[in-house]
Amino acid sequence: DVKVTQSSRYLVKRTGEKVFLECVQDMDHENMFWYRQDPGLGLRLIYFSYDVKMKEKGDIPEGYSVSREKKERFSLILESASTNQTSMYLCASSFISGSSYEQYFGPGTRLTVT
Amino acid sequence: AQTVTQSQPEMSVQEAETVTLSCTYDTSESDYYLFWYKQPPSRQMILVIRQEAYKQQNATENRFSVNFQKAAKSFSLKISDSQLGDAAMYFCAYRSNTGNQFYFGTGTSLTVIP
Repeated sequence: DVKVTQSSRYLVKRTGEKVFLECVQDMDHENMFWYRQDPGLGLRLIYFSYDVKMKEKGDIPEGYSVSREKKERFSLILESASTNQTSMYLCASSFISGSSYEQYFGPGTRLTVT
Repeated sequence: AQTVTQSQPEMSVQEAETVTLSCTYDTSESDYYLFWYKQPPSRQMILVIRQEAYKQQNATENRFSVNFQKAAKSFSLKISDSQLGDAAMYFCAYRSNTGNQFYFGTGTSLTVIP
């Protein structure tokens, strides 16, 4: 089974802190994604990466950065956390092409910024 | 960018009954993939069913089936013989055959009434 893991299920941080969320997948997927999930807004793409060291901005990249140094690992960084970044963060991965086009999701990290 | 619309924020169904969740999308492409994902409360997002646009036959997975109307750009999910475990948030998603990005609807929260 495909496994996508995230470093924390719950995280509480203070305003202004630098926050790291880490995601690891074990299926050799080329694509990795970071989403933010808020009630009534669905999933909004923050960043995605299609290869090591490659990244593309999604719909809401402001206040976030990402890092992909290894194929299996994709990190989301909140440079200076703010209260409006309190949310559920979901990581996902997928193949670039092939018969299996769906995304596989991690369990999510519920981040609270106080 | 493609848009995916789920017009039913909340739905309910009696146990053992049938329910249909609606999804429409906007695209100018002819080749793409559509997905329904399920997110149970406090649990991981999982794939329920997927449909390739080039296939005319509607996808079916056990009690889950879709009604794919390509010309109308409609992709509804039918759940038959609803069970308590079907209670979840359901997301419709679109992926182009040529791109890496997925586009999600805002979700439909399904309640199953015993």
